[in-house]
Amino acid sequence: QKEVEQDPGPLSVPEGAIVSLNCTYSNSAFQYFMWYRQYSRKGPELLMYTYSSGNKEDGRFTAQVDKSSKYISLFIRDSQPSDSATYLCAMSVGNTGFQKLVFGTGTRLLVSP
Amino acid sequence: SAVISQKPSRDICQRGTSLTIQCQVDSQVTMMFWYRQQPGQSLTLIATANQGSEATYESGFVIDKFPISRPNLTFSTLTVSNMSPEDSSIYLCSVQLAGGTDTQYFGPGTRLTVL
Repeated sequence: QKEVEQDPGPLSVPEGAIVSLNCTYSNSAFQYFMWYRQYSRKGPELLMYTYSSGNKEDGRFTAQVDKSSKYISLFIRDSQPSDSATYLCAMSVGNTGFQKLVFGTGTRLLVSP
Repeated sequence: SAVISQKPSRDICQRGTSLTIQCQVDSQVTMMFWYRQQPGQSLTLIATANQGSEATYESGFVIDKFPISRPNLTFSTLTVSNMSPEDSSIYLCSVQLAGGTDTQYFGPGTRLTVL
């Protein structure tokens, strides 16, 4: 079993839809959770960073962590064609020094006009 | 955040040859890393590039195959040696900022095809 599981998609939605992207994980020691967006032929770009359980909102993006279920989500409101990209979740056990990031495989999102 | 550049952006190489990839950051950073990203797979950490000392390699990666240099706090190179088609992948460098959390910022990647 992989430490981090993520549905590869593709997930196809119409413009304006609410998108839900999810990851599950097996290591209960993970405390720091990140979402990266990767456009085709580009490097991953950090979108959201959250600690422990709870929600964090940034514009149209909301990151949610449920540590009891070992489940994290990224919601995108009013999705736009420019949101079409691959979304990778990543997590680590600590935030000081170097803590290895464990990545999901990424979910490809397609938002059609 | 940091601005990270990589050279080359892509290359097509012959089996048995070597390619050196450069990573340049616009500010001094404590940690630099090299990843491999293969289609349909997670980002896989190859090694941590340590300034002034030997890189720290992850399980499954060895120095003879992936020699790494980091002569200062803003620059690192990764060499893919004696290449085979299985080395075809995207290679990414990333950095962790001094005094920051363990979030990492990535370069644009080098797309390598080995024939």
